[in-house]
Amino acid sequence: QSALTQPASVSGSPGQSITISCTGTSSDVGGYNYVSWYQQHPGKAPKLMIYEVSNRPSGVPDRFSGSKSGNTASLTISGLQAEDEADYYCSSYTSSSLVVFGGGTKLTVL
Amino acid sequence: EVQLVESGGGLVKPGGSLRLSCAASGFTFSSYSMNWVRQAPGKGLEWVSSISSSSSYIYYADSVKGRFTISRDNAKNSLYLQMNSLRAEDTAVYYCPRGEDAFDIWGQGTMVTVSS
Repeated sequence: QSALTQPASVSGSPGQSITISCTGTSSDVGGYNYVSWYQQHPGKAPKLMIYEVSNRPSGVPDRFSGSKSGNTASLTISGLQAEDEADYYCSSYTSSSLVVFGGGTKLTVL
Repeated sequence: EVQLVESGGGLVKPGGSLRLSCAASGFTFSSYSMNWVRQAPGKGLEWVSSISSSSSYIYYADSVKGRFTISRDNAKNSLYLQMNSLRAEDTAVYYCPRGEDAFDIWGQGTMVTVSS
């Protein structure tokens, strides 16, 4: 059950777009369309932002989008806003019927 | 309001036991898979365990297999995590999110500290 690989940090200026990658294997990210993305502000519980690779729950701005190519999933945030500054985690269903998270990415809005 | 409230955390000595609870409200608890996810201080999220809606399917992370037991009582709208043989590395905030492959509702978490 190795964690998915995410960059430790990314940054961008307000209005810009950023992309966070999430790399796994054919036994998790590459094998299923069950990749999710979570946003977590300091001291708060995680919040679901994307499910099943590219679907947004009700209430999540359309500035947030998800995609997948092979064993790598991506979260793109366009029109970056100050309130987007947070930690972001990807997760995937695995061939062992388990769930694995990425190590997390700290997004800084400059 | 859809809500999950975790409780039962606290300070416990290495080798000790603790039972966490998660009270659900605002939705049909018996229709959803439930999970435990933990986060060590300053670290990332770690999936711990999942249980299907009728308790037919139960899964554990290797790090807790044989020491932790997940269970649920649909009549009481409650989820549990029995934690035995606790280690320092089990120190974390424990969350009980709802869902099967995506976790859409989270509680505020309960802190478990394993220290002598």
